[in-house]
Amino acid sequence: DGGITQSPKYLFRKEGQNVTLSCEQNLNHDAMYWYRQDPGQGLRLIYYSQIVNDFQKGDIAEGYSVSREKKESFPLTVTSAQKNPTAFYLCATRETSRNEQYFGPGTRLTVT
Amino acid sequence: EDQVTQSPEALRLQEGESSSLNCSYTVSGLRGLFWYRQDPGKGPEFLFTLYSAGEEKEKERLKATLTKKESFLHITAPKPEDSATYLCAVQARISGTYKYIFGTGTRLKVLA
Repeated sequence: DGGITQSPKYLFRKEGQNVTLSCEQNLNHDAMYWYRQDPGQGLRLIYYSQIVNDFQKGDIAEGYSVSREKKESFPLTVTSAQKNPTAFYLCATRETSRNEQYFGPGTRLTVT
Repeated sequence: EDQVTQSPEALRLQEGESSSLNCSYTVSGLRGLFWYRQDPGKGPEFLFTLYSAGEEKEKERLKATLTKKESFLHITAPKPEDSATYLCAVQARISGTYKYIFGTGTRLKVLA
């Protein structure tokens, strides 16, 4: 079954705790992306990676970190430095030869 | 400023009542325009890519068109299952790199 999986679907954390969101894909896509979605706003790019062992900051990278040790995996860590972490987080992939992105099912993070 | 604007924000239609959603963009170096469907609590589902003015794509009751300044998503004889948020995004060359800019979406409700 091909696709993009994100886990967990829902995540609850206390302020001050770091949390890691998982994104795995078996589409063999080189590029992977992390976005956050907030009500009334367009998707905003957090980090992206074009190839293994390389990634770049997006528009709102502060308070987040990523790694890309394997082609299939692009985990996102939300650190305690992120001032407003409660949001819906979306992982996306893209095949190098094409322009459209494909999205995972998302993780809803709630920090209290 | 590079931006994508979708209108209306929300739209209620009776089943069978055709209409159009608008996505206007102000970017330079457009590489592609994308339409997605997003159901509540889920990740966006890719629908179409449009590359040049005059291009059209169709899928079931949906038809996407592109001009130099905007795109339309036409919905013909919609059904309740077409209810969702429709997102528009562009890929454009900004500050030397290709970036994706998303609109805030149109929430479509089709009443039986």
